[in-house]
Amino acid sequence: DIQMTQSPSFVSASVGDRVTITCQASQDIGTSLAWFQQQPGKAPKLLIYAASALQSGVPSRFSASGSGTDFTLTIRSLQPDDFAFYYCQQANSLPLSFGQGTRLEI
Amino acid sequence: QVQIVESGGGVVRPGGSLSLSCVATGFNFGFFGMHWVRQAPGKELEWVTFIRDDGGERKYGGSVKGRFTVSRDNYQNTVYLQMNSLRTEDTAVYYCAKSLARDNYYLYYMDVRGKGTTVTVSS
Repeated sequence: DIQMTQSPSFVSASVGDRVTITCQASQDIGTSLAWFQQQPGKAPKLLIYAASALQSGVPSRFSASGSGTDFTLTIRSLQPDDFAFYYCQQANSLPLSFGQGTRLEI
Repeated sequence: QVQIVESGGGVVRPGGSLSLSCVATGFNFGFFGMHWVRQAPGKELEWVTFIRDDGGERKYGGSVKGRFTVSRDNYQNTVYLQMNSLRTEDTAVYYCAKSLARDNYYLYYMDVRGKGTTVTVSS
C-alpha cells in the first residue's frame, strides 16, 4: 500500500500570505495526486487533480506541482476562506490513501 | 448540477449492522464509478470502497474488507454500503463521492458533494 506523508502538520499564516504544503508518496505515483480542502464540519472539496490540474470553480490562487514522490500545493494571497485543513490523496492505485492533513490557521 | 445525498447513519452497538444509501443526481450516474470515504472524529480521511459504473468491480480498504459490501442500483441512481460486524473504530462520518469523470484515468479522483452521514458504533 502507498503511504502519503504531508508536511507541515500545522501552519500559521496571515491574510495575503503565500503558503506551501508538501506531500510525499512512499513510492512513485507519477502525477496521480489530488489535493482536498476541508472546512471544519464540512465535506472535503477537491481542489487539484492529476498533480497540477485545477478543479472547475477553484480560484487560481491555488496551484500545485510535482511528480514521482514529491508534490506541493501553494496558495498565494491567502483569503479568510482558505484557513482550513488540506489533504493530499494518491490516485495511482487501490487502496487509495490520504495524507494525515495540514491545518492552515490564521 | 451534481447532488449527492447520503443517509442511513445512526447509532449501533459493536457487532451490529447498518446500511447506508447514497442518492446521486445531476449527472449520468450509470457511467461513473462511485466511492465511499470516511472520517473518524478528529482524524484524517480514509478511503473505504469503490464500485465501478456497471458494478462489475468492487474494491475495499483493508480495515473493512470482509465486513462491508458496496452495491449500486443504476435505475435508482443509488449506491449502498452494507456494514456488518461493526467496530467502535468504524465510528465516522461517511461520504459518498463520484469519480471525477467517466474516463478510466479519472476513476480514482473523487468528487465529494454530499454532507455525509454519521455512524456511531458504541455500547
